[in-house]
Amino acid sequence: GENVEQHPSTLSVQEGDSAVIKCTYSDSASNYFPWYKQELGKRPQLIIDIRSNVGEKKDQRIAVTLNKTAKHFSLHITETQPEDSAVYFCAASNRDNRLAFGKGNQVVVIP
Amino acid sequence: DARVTQTPRDKVTEMGQEVTMRCQPILGHNTVFWYRQTMMQGLELLAYFRNRAPLDDSGMPKDRFSAEMPDATLATLKIQPSEPRDSAVYFCASGLGVYNEQFFGPGTRLTVL
Repeated sequence: GENVEQHPSTLSVQEGDSAVIKCTYSDSASNYFPWYKQELGKRPQLIIDIRSNVGEKKDQRIAVTLNKTAKHFSLHITETQPEDSAVYFCAASNRDNRLAFGKGNQVVVIP
Repeated sequence: DARVTQTPRDKVTEMGQEVTMRCQPILGHNTVFWYRQTMMQGLELLAYFRNRAPLDDSGMPKDRFSAEMPDATLATLKIQPSEPRDSAVYFCASGLGVYNEQFFGPGTRLTVL
């Protein structure tokens, strides 16, 4: 099945700086790549997603890029704010139509 | 603002007891997922349903876990008998197919002593 890995596991950034989280996936047939944000004690919530026919997608301070050849995709957060502190999960849909999640990245924005 | 609901929110039980978790998906959603979240394993897919039919439950320990959708408004996850290693947060999510957003419920925090 699909295997999704995230790096780094923890990321600390100064408020106002950018944060980048990278994910790799194993199944070349995967074609849907969502990112979920989970604040402490709360439910995961979708923040952005991308399909394999698009290389980049942006929504205000958040962007996702996809490199199908290298089988990796990245989440970019610009002008980070304290409310961006959370765990971010990437995921990929594999040929069995299941969403495989990475283990998550803890992002800490230092005021 | 429609949301997925789950009950109970917290459950503490003793090893060997039966545990039943319930989920009400968002009305109109045709796909329901059960996930287990732990620090070590992250978010693991246990089972999912489309139009109430089970499509995949390969992530579940079959000998003790079972998942059902008695009707379109209720999904259940049962553990019998429960073991300490089952302690985790169990999330239900619903959506309109796999390639669309999954809306997560608040989760059930299960502690098996």
